[in-house]
Amino acid sequence: EIVLTQSPGTLSLSPGERATLSCRASQSLTTGYLAWYQQKPGQAPRLLIYGASSRATGIPDRFSGSGSGTDFSLTISRLEPEDFAVYYCQQYGSSPWTFGQGTKVEIK
Amino acid sequence: QVQLQESGPGLVKPSQTLSLTCSVSGGSISSGLYYWSWIRQHPGKGLEYIGYIYYTGSTYYNPSLKSRLSISVDTSKNQFSLKLSSVTAADTAVYYCARARTGYVYFDSWGQGTLVTVSS
Repeated sequence: EIVLTQSPGTLSLSPGERATLSCRASQSLTTGYLAWYQQKPGQAPRLLIYGASSRATGIPDRFSGSGSGTDFSLTISRLEPEDFAVYYCQQYGSSPWTFGQGTKVEIK
Repeated sequence: QVQLQESGPGLVKPSQTLSLTCSVSGGSISSGLYYWSWIRQHPGKGLEYIGYIYYTGSTYYNPSLKSRLSISVDTSKNQFSLKLSSVTAADTAVYYCARARTGYVYFDSWGQGTLVTVSS
C-alpha cells in the first residue's frame, strides 16, 4: 500500500498570500496518478487537480499542481477567503487507492 | 450534472450490519464510464477508500475491509449499495458515495455524506 505523507499539517497564511502544500509518496507514482481535493467543514471533498497537474472542471487557475515520482505539490497562487480549508492528496496509481492525512490552510 | 445521495440508518448496533444506498441522478450508472465508489471519513480524520462497483457487478474491495464488505448495484433504480458486517465503534464515520472514471480512480463527484454511528 502506498502511504502519502502531507506537509505541513497546518499552514497559517493571510488572504493574498501564496500557499504551497506538499505530498510525498512512499513509492514512486510513475504514472503521475495523483489528485488533490479541498474539503470545507461539513462538506464533501471537491476535486481540484488530477493527473498531478490537470485542473478539474470549474477550478480557478490560482490552483496548480506539480510534481512527479514521489514528490508532488499543490500551489494556491493568491489565497482567497474561500480557500481556507483542508486539502488532501490521493494516489490512484496502485490499489488500494490511498489518501494523505490532510493539510489545513488556516487564516493567520 | 450528476448528483449522488446517500441514505440509510444513522445508528447501528455493534456486531450488526451497516447498510447504505447511494442514489444517482443526472446520469446513468449503466453508462459504463464510471466506477461507483464508497469512501469513509472517521470523525476529525482523513479519508479511507472502501471499494467500488462497476455497472456489470464487478467489484474492488479495500483488502482491509474485504472480509466484511459487500457492494452491489441495482441498475434499474440507478442505485448502488454498501453492506459492512460485524461493525464496531471503529466503523463510526461519515460515509460518502462517489464517482470515479474507469481506469482513473479519482473522484469527480461526491454525495454529501452520511454519518453512521456504531453504538449500543
